[in-house]
Amino acid sequence: GIQVEQSPPDLILQEGANSTLRCNFSDSVNNLQWFHQNPWGQLINLFYIPSGTKQNGRLSATTVATERYSLLYISSSQTTDSGVYFCAVNYNQGGKLIFGQGTELSVKP
Amino acid sequence: DTAVSQTPKYLVTQMGNDKSIKCEQNLGHDTMYWYKQDSKKFLKIMFSYNNKELIINETVPNRFSPKSPDKAHLNLHINSLELGDSAVYFCASSQVEAYEQYFGPGTRLTVT
Repeated sequence: GIQVEQSPPDLILQEGANSTLRCNFSDSVNNLQWFHQNPWGQLINLFYIPSGTKQNGRLSATTVATERYSLLYISSSQTTDSGVYFCAVNYNQGGKLIFGQGTELSVKP
Repeated sequence: DTAVSQTPKYLVTQMGNDKSIKCEQNLGHDTMYWYKQDSKKFLKIMFSYNNKELIINETVPNRFSPKSPDKAHLNLHINSLELGDSAVYFCASSQVEAYEQYFGPGTRLTVT
């Protein structure tokens, strides 16, 4: 089956810093989503981005489907950005999402 | 105005008991899912239903039985609970398969 790998596994930032999270996948995909799991456990949709670039405030994402990777950019990080960021892909019928192992981000004041 | 809701939020029970988790979505979506998040935060699909029909059953023990009374609801019933069933269970929905999925708040199940 498809493999989804995220890097780095952990990241510690000072408030105001920028960061880039990476998601590599081993096969062609139908869709790709980025989620933020906050410290209370909620999974929040960030981007639905099977290809191209999208921006939402301080966050943006780029998926290069032909090269099988996606990047999530966080600019001017805030303490509320702390949590785990997941990349998930769908590659076959049925809609199931295959999740990466996540990047745990901690933003210090 | 919750999009995907789950009850209960927390569930603590003893080994051998039977329990259910309920999920409802008010987004008008056709497809619903159950995912399990283990203690290492790894998320894995368990089931998906499209318009009340089972589409995916991911080698889950048959102690787990999903039921979809209508396309807005997908419940998860677990028989003879085991310690290893302790996890957070997430319900999700999407307009159709392969479209953007939206997740509920999760149900933390603890089996003692």
